[in-house]
Amino acid sequence: TQLLEQSPQFLSIQEGENLTVYCNSSSVFSSLQWYRQEPGEGPVLLVTVVTGGEVKKLKRLTFQFGDARKDSSLHITAAQPGDTGLYLCAGVRDSNYQLIWGAGTKLIIKP
Amino acid sequence: EPEVTQTPSHQVTQMGQEVILRCVPISNHLYFYWYRQILGQKVEFLVSFYNNEISEKSEIFDDQFSVERPDGSNFTLKIRSTKLEDSAMYFCASRNRGGNIQYFGAGTRLSVL
Repeated sequence: TQLLEQSPQFLSIQEGENLTVYCNSSSVFSSLQWYRQEPGEGPVLLVTVVTGGEVKKLKRLTFQFGDARKDSSLHITAAQPGDTGLYLCAGVRDSNYQLIWGAGTKLIIKP
Repeated sequence: EPEVTQTPSHQVTQMGQEVILRCVPISNHLYFYWYRQILGQKVEFLVSFYNNEISEKSEIFDDQFSVERPDGSNFTLKIRSTKLEDSAMYFCASRNRGGNIQYFGAGTRLSVL
């Protein structure tokens, strides 16, 4: 069974600080996706990383896929209150594009 | 912009009753998925569907669950006899051929009393 461990589960920081969220697995994924989920809504895709070592930037968000395609990180620079939300990582299995989900990181940015 | 729509947004039912959760995937998509998320827990894969048949299902997807694409546009998840532990958010997703991006609906919150 493929598992994806996401940490931390909860993070509350002040506006302007930096933070990193991690997703780790013992399994290799064909790609890894990061989602943001608002209360009462479905997950919305932020980015997909495909190549080992790949780095993608989305404004103040930096996503990295590990060289071995087993882990990934999301780094937010100078966090803003608008970044508050639930961030989920999901590994994509080759065979059926089934998503294996992390437990999520609930992020609160205090003004 | 095309989107996946799910109805109802909230379903309340009594234990033992049958429920049908409905999804309208994006029109040219060929692969369909159901996931569930119990409150405070991670999203879990239930089933994938392609070419009018189940392509993969998880251990959660037991005989009480079934899926159907009755008319070429809707994709439904039926729970025959609901249990308290079926209470969760249920998300439908669809994907096009050759793409690894699944587009999610807003979910149906199922409350079993």
